Amino acid sequence: DTGVSQDPRHKITKRGQNVTFRCDPISEHNRLYWYRQTLGQGPEFLTYFQNEAQLEKSRLLSDRFSAERPKGSFSTLEIQRTEQGDSAMYLCASSLAPRDRGGEQYFGPGTRLTVT
Amino acid sequence: AQTVTQSQPEMSVQEAETVTLSCTYDTSESDYYLFWYKQPPSRQMILVIRQEAYKQQNATENRFSVNFQKAAKSFSLKISDSQLGDAAMYFCAYRSSMNYGGSQGNLIFGKGTKLSVKP
Repeated sequence: DTGVSQDPRHKITKRGQNVTFRCDPISEHNRLYWYRQTLGQGPEFLTYFQNEAQLEKSRLLSDRFSAERPKGSFSTLEIQRTEQGDSAMYLCASSLAPRDRGGEQYFGPGTRLTVT
Repeated sequence: AQTVTQSQPEMSVQEAETVTLSCTYDTSESDYYLFWYKQPPSRQMILVIRQEAYKQQNATENRFSVNFQKAAKSFSLKISDSQLGDAAMYFCAYRSSMNYGGSQGNLIFGKGTKLSVKP
């Protein structure tokens, strides 16, 4: 396993269009996180899955955003009716569920979204 | 709510010298984890070092070490013998302990410090 992968790496879209990103976590990891990183800022948490269940959403995740993780493997993040403010790097991370105080998160390379 | 503050937007160090990056955090919890992540230009974020709040001993990973002051809520990163490959954004991050149950383990990041290494 080569780590967390994300596709596409870059996406340019026009305002109002829908976009979908994919994240493939490390195969044995049952937790998957989505973060958003804007220029000059640290990543901000969006949502989190344990297996196929979406267990937590940030208030940053407006109703235009939806995330899925069918069968507890890869995950998709969809943004509907994109706005210029959605332009950011979208990061995915995966981890094992911590049983003994572990659970470090491993990050993917990110998808850079530009909304024109 | 927990917050993480990195007060140095940019730092510079001469190759082979030592540099310290600062981080402070605010929390009412007593059990948590602290991390330093490195994000090279156009490359993915990688974990540099982690510290469990219940451990008094400062974590060390090769040339990287931390100074964890729990009472002061301070968590600085020291990079010794700096190398050109150390140039990157460095993020300090906080995570609640799973034992609290309320948090599901998402990381809370600071704004980052851009480290430049001069040859």
